Amino acid sequence: QKEVEQDPGPLSVPEGAIVSLNCTYSNSAFQYFMWYRQYSRKGPELLMYTYSSGNKEDGRFTAQVDKSSKYISLFIRDSQPSDSATYLCAMTLNAGNMLTFGGGTRLMVKP
Amino acid sequence: EAEVAQSPRYKITEKSQAVAFWCDPISGHATLYWYRQILGQGPELLVQFQDESVVDDSQLPKDRFSAERLKGVDSTLKIQPAELGDSAMYLCASSGWADTQYFGPGTRLTVL
Repeated sequence: QKEVEQDPGPLSVPEGAIVSLNCTYSNSAFQYFMWYRQYSRKGPELLMYTYSSGNKEDGRFTAQVDKSSKYISLFIRDSQPSDSATYLCAMTLNAGNMLTFGGGTRLMVKP
Repeated sequence: EAEVAQSPRYKITEKSQAVAFWCDPISGHATLYWYRQILGQGPELLVQFQDESVVDDSQLPKDRFSAERLKGVDSTLKIQPAELGDSAMYLCASSGWADTQYFGPGTRLTVL
């Protein structure tokens, strides 16, 4: 079993929908949680970076961390076709340490 | 906006040949990482540098892979000899002290 599990999708939604992306993990020592967006044949782009439990909002994106359930989420409001990409969750024990990634969820937003 | 630079962007080689990838991190970032991403999977760490020193290379296949960061700035990852199973995206990332990681565009390697 992998340390970080993520549904590979694809997840297909209409433009304007609210999207929910999720990851579960097994190592309770993880402290820092990130979401990256990766377009086809490109490098991952950092979207959200949170420490410990709680919510963080940035524009149309909201990241949630529930350490008690070992579960993190990314919500995208008013989804756009340009949001179509693979979303990778990542986490680490300490800032500056290696990241452990989920396998990524492919999202398709249809006009 | 500062970015991580990588070259080449694409590389096609035959098995048993040698290949090398180059990475220039964001200026001032002391920590540099090389990850490998197989199609449809998340990136996995190969090696981590702090300045010119290797911090973690436990997942680097040392019989064929080598990495260096001689002056603590840019870095080179080498594979010799390449095998079919090495076909993947090779990603470089960098971070400042206690900061998150920023990735370059990657080098897509195809081994024939």
